[in-house]
Amino acid sequence: AQRVTQPEKLLSVFKGAPVELKCNYSYSGSPELFWYVQYSRQRLQLLLRHISRESIKGFTADLNKGETSFHLKKPFAQEEDSAMYYCALEVGGAQKLVFGQGTRLTINP
Amino acid sequence: DTGVSQDPRHKITKRGQNVTFRCDPISEHNRLYWYRQTLGQGPEFLTYFQNEAQLEKSRLLSDRFSAERPKGSFSTLEIQRTEQGDSAMYLCASSLAGRAENEQFFGPGTRLTVL
Repeated sequence: AQRVTQPEKLLSVFKGAPVELKCNYSYSGSPELFWYVQYSRQRLQLLLRHISRESIKGFTADLNKGETSFHLKKPFAQEEDSAMYYCALEVGGAQKLVFGQGTRLTINP
Repeated sequence: DTGVSQDPRHKITKRGQNVTFRCDPISEHNRLYWYRQTLGQGPEFLTYFQNEAQLEKSRLLSDRFSAERPKGSFSTLEIQRTEQGDSAMYLCASSLAGRAENEQFFGPGTRLTVL
């Protein structure tokens, strides 16, 4: 069965410190993985997708098929990064998303 | 605002009542998804449409739930005989099939509270 696990519900770091949000997945097919973000009082929005291999707002994520992980990283956290982050796996012909439980990231000044 | 819209934003109802939610996707998007999100959890897939055809339904979607997309544009999600366990945020998303990126754009959600 397909599953996404985000082991940390809460993560708090100081401004300027590195950030890593963990995501592990379970899927028998070829994984397509995404990170979605929800800022306070805003809707869920795409942050980045693994297939693009891009950096958005200083965040990167590398797909590690051996470890079945897709951790989100940023070298220097900023206060505006405080938000809820969801890792998601795209499955099936419907391209529906299976989400993790989410990690609430708080950046302290 | 040309994004996905949902109506109402909040709904409070008594157990046993029927409720209906509406989603208006981005106009050129042919795929429409419904998700449900309970407190402390990520969104869970409920159902999806390509144009007017409902192509997949989750086992989470009991027979009290029905969704339609009659003209391939807006969609409605109806819950009959609501139960307290139906209290959740109901999210709608849309995307354009055929694009490699297949980004799903989410609406603001409808928060349902069943008393």
